[in-house]
Amino acid sequence: DTGVSQDPRHKITKRGQNVTFRCDPISEHNRLYWYRQTLGQGPEFLTYFQNEAQLEKSRLLSDRFSAERPKGSFSTLEIQRTEQGDSAMYLCASSSDSTSYEQYFGPGTRLTVT
Amino acid sequence: DAKTTQPTSMDCAEGRAANLPCNHSTISGNEYVYWYRQIHSQGPQYIIHGLKNNETNEMASLIITEDRKSSTLILPHATLRDTAVYYCIVRVALSPSGNTPLVFGKGTRLSVIA
Repeated sequence: DTGVSQDPRHKITKRGQNVTFRCDPISEHNRLYWYRQTLGQGPEFLTYFQNEAQLEKSRLLSDRFSAERPKGSFSTLEIQRTEQGDSAMYLCASSSDSTSYEQYFGPGTRLTVT
Repeated sequence: DAKTTQPTSMDCAEGRAANLPCNHSTISGNEYVYWYRQIHSQGPQYIIHGLKNNETNEMASLIITEDRKSSTLILPHATLRDTAVYYCIVRVALSPSGNTPLVFGKGTRLSVIA
């Protein structure tokens, strides 16, 4: 168990550019979640997957955001035409149905849009 | 929106018990109380959860009132490493779609002081 990993850990981009983040969940976990956290706030849910199926999307996930989980393994979160308001920590978490009470979080990707 | 209310911040002397309260007066019968914590610059970490009985694990104890409208997380012997933001979350654990996303509030910032 190597834990949930995220890449990159930090990303600085200019407004209007596209960015993509990657999350590698714990290998046997079938559920994967994306959250966003701004300074001083708790994490906010964005979307989640059961295997490769995207089951739920938050209203926070505008049309500029897209998430995928091909083959039910790693996941990517893409933000198109970034805005300064997208600056935040993007957290990924995974869980399995056998330990459904616990979500394991990665260290996050901190995005700064200048 | 979060269904819980927590104090913004608390201090605790090192080695003493830290008691973190949480109000969840609108909790439903099928909702559990979860606690997570987030140490600076890390992703949230699961601590404990319960339905109506008191629970204890190696990290903490969870005391839920009989009417389930409030609960207290107890760290029996706080250390400096317990300094973190603690989140109380109510969540349906057995929804038809399985693991539901977590809805975080702002949490309580616990400072353990030497």
